[in-house]
Amino acid sequence: ETGVTQTPRHLVMGMTNKKSLKCEQHLGHNAMYWYKQSAKKPLELMFVYSLEERVENNSVPSRFSPECPNSSHLFLHLHTLQPEDSALYLCASSQVWGQPQHFGDGTRLSIL
Amino acid sequence: EDKVVQSPLSLVVHEGDTVTLNCSYEVTNFRSLLWYKQEKKAPTFLFMLTSSGIEKKSGRLSSILDKKELFSILNITATQTGDSAVYLCAVEETGNQFYFGTGTSLTVIP
Repeated sequence: ETGVTQTPRHLVMGMTNKKSLKCEQHLGHNAMYWYKQSAKKPLELMFVYSLEERVENNSVPSRFSPECPNSSHLFLHLHTLQPEDSALYLCASSQVWGQPQHFGDGTRLSIL
Repeated sequence: EDKVVQSPLSLVVHEGDTVTLNCSYEVTNFRSLLWYKQEKKAPTFLFMLTSSGIEKKSGRLSSILDKKELFSILNITATQTGDSAVYLCAVEETGNQFYFGTGTSLTVIP
């Protein structure tokens, strides 16, 4: 139990589907992050929220849309994804932005 | 161009061996370097280094940073099978941008 819970664990979707990934942290942290981890590539930071405000958006395509309704929950809304978007999507949180992060187990996403 | 480069990419050792993992980086405004261990899914935090020459130690693991030569090493002594994992190095740049390396995959054989 890492204190950061991600659902679903696995997701298979078609390119025209709309789905959402959910992340919940039980650590009382104020910053939350989305990362993409593809095979043989470094973790890529996608979005950062600090105190529910988006503070970082690393040129992520608009087919990925984050939402942070409160400091404990983070969503990643997906629509019209491409096969190259298949990857492990990791959520993380930290006490404050920039501190060591606690990661969830990730959602393994496969785009057909 | 990769800002964080880890070596070796993979390593296979026997229990009891000592290993050294390397992380070199190139960022404009360095703030900190972090090491994580990723066994199956969630990376878990090991060390955060901000100052050169000060060794951080946790049990059989230790790490040190050289800000002049822009690298860090992670040492594991008396390795055990439970140390088998991918070890990730990340560098934080001022402005809270994080860059990760591709990791070193360590396999410890009984």
